[in-house]
Amino acid sequence: GQNIDQPTEMTATEGAIVQINCTYQTSGFNGLFWYQQHAGEAPTFLSYNVLDGLEEKGRFSSFLSRSKGYSYLLLKELQMKDSASYLCAVIVGNYQLIWGAGTKLIIKP
Amino acid sequence: DVKVTQSSRYLVKRTGEKVFLECVQDMDHENMFWYRQDPGLGLRLIYFSYDVKMKEKGDIPEGYSVSREKKERFSLILESASTNQTSMYLCASSFNSDGFNSPLHFGNGTRLTVT
Repeated sequence: GQNIDQPTEMTATEGAIVQINCTYQTSGFNGLFWYQQHAGEAPTFLSYNVLDGLEEKGRFSSFLSRSKGYSYLLLKELQMKDSASYLCAVIVGNYQLIWGAGTKLIIKP
Repeated sequence: DVKVTQSSRYLVKRTGEKVFLECVQDMDHENMFWYRQDPGLGLRLIYFSYDVKMKEKGDIPEGYSVSREKKERFSLILESASTNQTSMYLCASSFNSDGFNSPLHFGNGTRLTVT
């Protein structure tokens, strides 16, 4: 079967760094997405990883290890507006996208 | 910016009613999708379309149908609404780059309640 695991909820402090993990067990791998979803809003694209390593985009970075079936999203200099759910999704084959249940990130002052 | 517009933000329907959810995108994307999102579950694909008049079943197509008569519009139809179809419905679109490795752009969602 296809499975993606993410922590259900995490709490962090404004100004700090947080790492949100995503592990996957899928029948294939053609890339991994991270999306951000604020409560009541649409998911918005954050990053795409297909090769091993770190992709940096401002305060957000995403890491992939295909051999370990593992990715993480790193958020630096946390701001209150980063309070949201973060969704991990794996592309399996060409036309199948498997979604994790999402991690709700709570930022405290 | 890509815009994906869903016709209704909130809908309340009665059991047995036929329900239409409409979605329009303005970026000439080939792929369009309908998902439902429920607490504690990942996004679940209902149907997707990779071209006009083309459709493919997703993971949970039972009780739903779709229509894509024009490239920019993808409609989701609940033939006879039931209470277990109460959910958030999300429409999305993307370029067709020989697969799903082009990011999806989502609409704001329609929260459907079936009573």
